[in-house]
Amino acid sequence: AQSVTQLGSHVSVSEGALVLLRCNYSSSVPPYLFWYVQYPNQGLQLLLKYTTGATLVKGINGFEAEFKKSETSFHLTKPSAHMSDAAEYFCAVTILFSGGYNKLIFGAGTRLAVHP
Amino acid sequence: EAGVTQFPSHSVIEKGQTVTLRCDPISGHDNLYWYRRVMGKEIKFLLHFVKESKQDESGMPNNRFLAERTGGTYSTLKVQPAELEDSGVYFCASSQGLRLSRYNEQFFGPGTRLTVL
Repeated sequence: AQSVTQLGSHVSVSEGALVLLRCNYSSSVPPYLFWYVQYPNQGLQLLLKYTTGATLVKGINGFEAEFKKSETSFHLTKPSAHMSDAAEYFCAVTILFSGGYNKLIFGAGTRLAVHP
Repeated sequence: EAGVTQFPSHSVIEKGQTVTLRCDPISGHDNLYWYRRVMGKEIKFLLHFVKESKQDESGMPNNRFLAERTGGTYSTLKVQPAELEDSGVYFCASSQGLRLSRYNEQFFGPGTRLTVL
């Protein structure tokens, strides 16, 4: 069965500092992995995804994540935090079913605070 | 192109009352999903429609929850009667129909925040 663990429910960084949000997954089949972001009073927005191919994936707003199969990890990073990055971030893995639909399994979320 | 919309954005009801949440998917999307996030916990899958048919309702918590998607367009999720533990944010998502690539990206709505007092 697939599952996702996000280490740290709250992360606080200074503006300009490195952002590192940790995600580990469990999957019996090659996973498709995602990071979503939820800004205050908004819906979930896809930041980036890994399906196949290059293990380092780049997303919007300068974020990137690396799929490491040996570590079953998909950590999210950004070299320099901006105040506007303050939001809640969700890591997810998908279960693929025949017929072309998928079911997302989410982690518990990590709330990122950025202070001046 | 309009995204996924949900109504209402917030709902506050008393225990025992009935609430109906609505989701309008992106036009042309055959797949419609409902998810829920209870306070501080992970977002959990509730159910999935393909057009008007329920494909998977394995995540529905109990028979107080009823989802419909008449005509394969918008969907409603009714909670009757509501209990305190039903409080949370209910998200709707939609994706395109069957594709050879198997993966169809889900687009999420802003969610409905339900508070049961």
